[in-house]
Amino acid sequence: KQEVTQIPAALSVPEGENLVLNCSFTDSAIYNLQWFRQDPGKGLTSLLLIQSSQREQTSGRLNASLDKSSGRSTLYIAASQPGDSATYLCAVNNSGYALNFGKGTSLLVTP
Amino acid sequence: NAGVTQTPKFRILKIGQSMTLQCTQDMNHNYMYWYRQDPGMGLKLIYYSVGAGITDKGEVPNGYNVSRSTTEDFPLRLELAAPSQTSVYFCASRSRGQSGEQYFGPGTRLTVT
Repeated sequence: KQEVTQIPAALSVPEGENLVLNCSFTDSAIYNLQWFRQDPGKGLTSLLLIQSSQREQTSGRLNASLDKSSGRSTLYIAASQPGDSATYLCAVNNSGYALNFGKGTSLLVTP
Repeated sequence: NAGVTQTPKFRILKIGQSMTLQCTQDMNHNYMYWYRQDPGMGLKLIYYSVGAGITDKGEVPNGYNVSRSTTEDFPLRLELAAPSQTSVYFCASRSRGQSGEQYFGPGTRLTVT
């Protein structure tokens, strides 16, 4: 059974810092990996989708990398802003249909 | 496009009552899903569907039922609600194929007392 772990569980940084969120998974036979953002009391917003054949994807200040062989992905956020404060979820697709989610990293960016 | 919509946004049920959570998507996606999210936990899959008329159980299906009569709609039925079903429920969809991006609805917050 695929296990997805996100470290750290919570993170607080001052505005302007670059930061890295980590995601690890136990079964490297994946189709893709998706990073989501969740604001309190809200739904999930897709940030980046990395296919198994890709090494990284970029969108604005966000860069996600994937190392299938080691079972790791990172989400890099450049020049963090208070508006980046949210919970970030990593989800792995290794069945071809549903996602396996980590428990998330709660990020607080302070002014 | 509205994407994935869910109703209601909030609901309080008494133990033993029943209700249906509605989910509709307007992206013509074949795959639809129901997840639940408990505090401090990741999302867990309840049921999914790969197309109209086809549904299958996920990780935590007990106490729930689904149907998929059209491509657009995927309702989740709770029979005999229990406090353990207090959770936030998310519906999601994606296009055909094994590598598509999943899109989520805004969620339904359900409390069973």
